[in-house]
Amino acid sequence: GDSVTQMEGPVTLSEEAFLTINCTYTATGYPSLFWYVQYPGEGLQLLLKATKADDKGSNKGFEATYRKETTSFHLEKGSVQVSDSAVYFCALTLNTGGFKTIFGAGTRLFVKA
Amino acid sequence: SAVISQKPSRDICQRGTSLTIQCQVDSQVTMMFWYRQQPGQSLTLIATANQGSEATYESGFVIDKFPISRPNLTFSTLTVSNMSPEDSSIYLCSLARGPSEAFFGQGTRLTVV
Repeated sequence: GDSVTQMEGPVTLSEEAFLTINCTYTATGYPSLFWYVQYPGEGLQLLLKATKADDKGSNKGFEATYRKETTSFHLEKGSVQVSDSAVYFCALTLNTGGFKTIFGAGTRLFVKA
Repeated sequence: SAVISQKPSRDICQRGTSLTIQCQVDSQVTMMFWYRQQPGQSLTLIATANQGSEATYESGFVIDKFPISRPNLTFSTLTVSNMSPEDSSIYLCSLARGPSEAFFGQGTRLTVV
């Protein structure tokens, strides 16, 4: 079935380090891909999205490229800050079944000063 | 964008009781979704709420435990029935206007004691 797999956490980095969180997906058809972020005690926020192959989503220094050939949507940031500490969810939305969203397990990121 | 108002934002309930969560959106939408996020876990789809028909439940979720109403195109409720401590979670409503336009409420943090 359709699914999203992302790297397990927690990921602990020092400030200004490079971040990669891997995400791969399995889906029938051509899904839209998303990264959501959940800061401690807060709701879910859309971080970035890509709707077709080779699209690059970007926001707040984060970026991810929709790679159809590897069914991946890895999240990257060149220099993380303490304020980036949060849980990051990779997700896809199918074009069928009413556009329901399927989430990965989430990756917790800790950034140390 | 979309404005989703969900209430209550949090509640502490006694086991064996039921809680109804309300979700109001600022514009008409055909499909709304209810998700559960158990502590430290990802979001799992409970059901899709369609206006004018019965909700469609995902595997592992049943109507008797999570009855859903969808009386019009801007409102839905989810009831968590006969609660036990295992139902302690964040419950979120969501809507999608298309494959790349998903929005989430702030969630209801439920604690069952």
